[in-house]
Amino acid sequence: QQPVQSPQAVILREGEDAVINCSSSKALYSVHWYRQKHGEAPVFLMILLKGGEQKGHDKISASFNEKKQQSSLYLTASQLSYSGTYFCGTDPHTGFQKLVFGTGTRLLVSP
Amino acid sequence: EAQVTQNPRYLITVTGKKLTVTCSQNMNHEYMSWYRQDPGLGLRQIYYSMNVEVTDKGDVPEGYKVSRKEKRNFPLILESPSPNQTSLYFCASSFSGRRGDTQYFGPGTRLTVL
Repeated sequence: QQPVQSPQAVILREGEDAVINCSSSKALYSVHWYRQKHGEAPVFLMILLKGGEQKGHDKISASFNEKKQQSSLYLTASQLSYSGTYFCGTDPHTGFQKLVFGTGTRLLVSP
Repeated sequence: EAQVTQNPRYLITVTGKKLTVTCSQNMNHEYMSWYRQDPGLGLRQIYYSMNVEVTDKGDVPEGYKVSRKEKRNFPLILESPSPNQTSLYFCASSFSGRRGDTQYFGPGTRLTVL
């Protein structure tokens, strides 16, 4: 079952912050975040493996609440290059990797 | 350069004409997978392979076949394409397929079936 992402779309001005949420109805082992530019392949951002784990690089970070079966991606001081569609991929406890992706959140950062 | 390659990148074909989309990775990855991406539906897994000669169905396998005769290659075969298979297809690979592995995506193949 696909995880649910919210919001479906968001428009920001450069420098503003955004939060993208990913919720699953199933228990999760890990959450993967990807960004996809129009017409290009998804690009890996980060994996969160443990409940409560937080990660980040540059001004993009994420948290994973295993008990709540949800993850959030935080984009701070957004840049034009952050524009794209963000996908979470969830990995239920099946013994091997079988990512199920959300339907994506479209982010547009304007000058 | 470590990468996943797909060919062709664009393909327009007609209903019923068999086609193959190739996928190759040079990272010695054991796990490979095919996804299709449709507007509003995100990425959905078609088939995956844990290693040579080991393949299994994903969430939307109907109308597709795969094979894994060599570790580096994982072709996607459409025996009799139909218009509802018009989509953007991505191949991906990861080191072992174990939980927590990063999946690396190919550039995509845009398929149109008339």
